[in-house]
Amino acid sequence: SQQGEEDPQALSIQEGENATMNCSYKTSINNLQWYRQNSGRGLVHLILIRSNEREKHSGRLRVTLDTSKKSSSLLITASRAADTASYFCATDARGGYQKVTFGTGTKLQVIP
Amino acid sequence: EAGVAQSPRYKIIEKRQSVAFWCNPISGHATLYWYQQILGQGPKLLIQFQNNGVVDDSQLPKDRFSAERLKGVDSTLKIQPAKLEDSAVYLCASSKDRETLNTGELFFGEGSRLTVL
Repeated sequence: SQQGEEDPQALSIQEGENATMNCSYKTSINNLQWYRQNSGRGLVHLILIRSNEREKHSGRLRVTLDTSKKSSSLLITASRAADTASYFCATDARGGYQKVTFGTGTKLQVIP
Repeated sequence: EAGVAQSPRYKIIEKRQSVAFWCNPISGHATLYWYQQILGQGPKLLIQFQNNGVVDDSQLPKDRFSAERLKGVDSTLKIQPAKLEDSAVYLCASSKDRETLNTGELFFGEGSRLTVL
């Protein structure tokens, strides 16, 4: 079963614009991760945010986490054509044994 | 550092045939995962190994799927007999042992794309 659900399912923006993707999940978590998947490839880890953190930055990425709302957002600033990919959130449920469950994904298209 | 290796990259079989996928994780990674990703969906965990023991196989269709991890390193995932709905990409991932309750990063292979006709 999918723990997380991303919103929107698809997003199309112009190069240089910001892209925001949201993730909602169901159970209490230890941490939340975001991954990118280029078409036909494996997933690549982008960033991890722990349950006691509220915001984290990595380069052009900004992730927020609201555990009271069981939601997270990924912001990609100044998008590039190379950012075109699917983005997934993944959660590690509290009390679990490192079981990582992925959401449904957001397909981002950045138009040059 | 070598990444997660998977083979074959592509496989086409008829329904009711069998298929096997192989995964070699990153050296020293104790945890190995097999995910199934159907087109347009997120990866679904099939089975998770900690060293050579299974810690979760709750979503593995055990009547047709089997997996093993020999000596806590390489792993194989087998499907026998295959059904049309098994058409998907099978992703292998590995991660280091966790020192705390917080999970670390998963490293994925490129996946094995299965088409069942």
